[in-house]
Amino acid sequence: AIQMTQSPSSLSASVGDRVTVTCRATQGIRNALGWYQQKPGKAPKLLIYAASSLQSGVPSRFSGSGSGTDFTLTISSLQPEDFATYYCLQHYNYPRSFGQGTKVEIK
Amino acid sequence: QVQLQESGPGLVKPSQTLSLICTVSGASVSSGTYYWSWVRQHPEKGLEWIGYIHYSGNTHYNPSLKSRVTISIDTSKNQFSLKLSSVTAADMAVYYCARDHRVTDALDVWGQGTMVTVSS
Repeated sequence: AIQMTQSPSSLSASVGDRVTVTCRATQGIRNALGWYQQKPGKAPKLLIYAASSLQSGVPSRFSGSGSGTDFTLTISSLQPEDFATYYCLQHYNYPRSFGQGTKVEIK
Repeated sequence: QVQLQESGPGLVKPSQTLSLICTVSGASVSSGTYYWSWVRQHPEKGLEWIGYIHYSGNTHYNPSLKSRVTISIDTSKNQFSLKLSSVTAADMAVYYCARDHRVTDALDVWGQGTMVTVSS
C-alpha cells in the first residue's frame, strides 16, 4: 500500500503569510492526489484534485503542484478562515490513503 | 445541491455489527459517474478510507478491513450503506459517507459524519 507523509505535522502562521504544506508518496502516483481542508467538528472539504486543479468554489489563494512522489499545497495569503487541518489523499491505486494531516494554527 | 446524510446507531456493543446508512439527495446513486464511499476518522486522528460501491454493484474495500466490511446500495431509496462486523474499541470513530467522482477521483461531497462508540 502507498504511504503518504505530510510535513510539517503542524505550523503556526499569521494572517497574510504564505503557507506551504508538503505531501510525499512512497511510490510514484503521477498526479493522482487531492488536498482536503478540515475544520474542527466538520467533514473534510475538497480543495484541489488531480494535484493542481482547483475545485469549484475554492478561493484562488489555494494552489497545488507536484507530480510523481512530491506534492505541495500552497496558500498564497493566509486568511482567518484558513486555520484548519489539511490532508492529502492519493487516488492512484487502492487502498486510497491519506496523509496524517497538517494543522495550521494562528501565530 | 447535493447532500449526503449518515444515519445509524451511535452506540454498538463489542463483537456486534456496526450498520450505517447514507442517504443521498440532489443526486442519484444510480449515476455511473460516481462511486459512493465511506471514510472514518478515529478521535483526534487522521482519516482512513474504508471502501466504495458503484451502482453496478462493483465494490472495493480497504484490505485492513476487507474481511469485516460490506458496502451495499439501494437505488430505490437512493441510499448506500456500511456494515462492519465484529467491532472492537478500535472501530470507534466518526464515519463519513462521501461521493467519489470517477473522472477526477476526488471525494467532492461529504456527509457531516456520525460518531460511533463501541462499548458494552
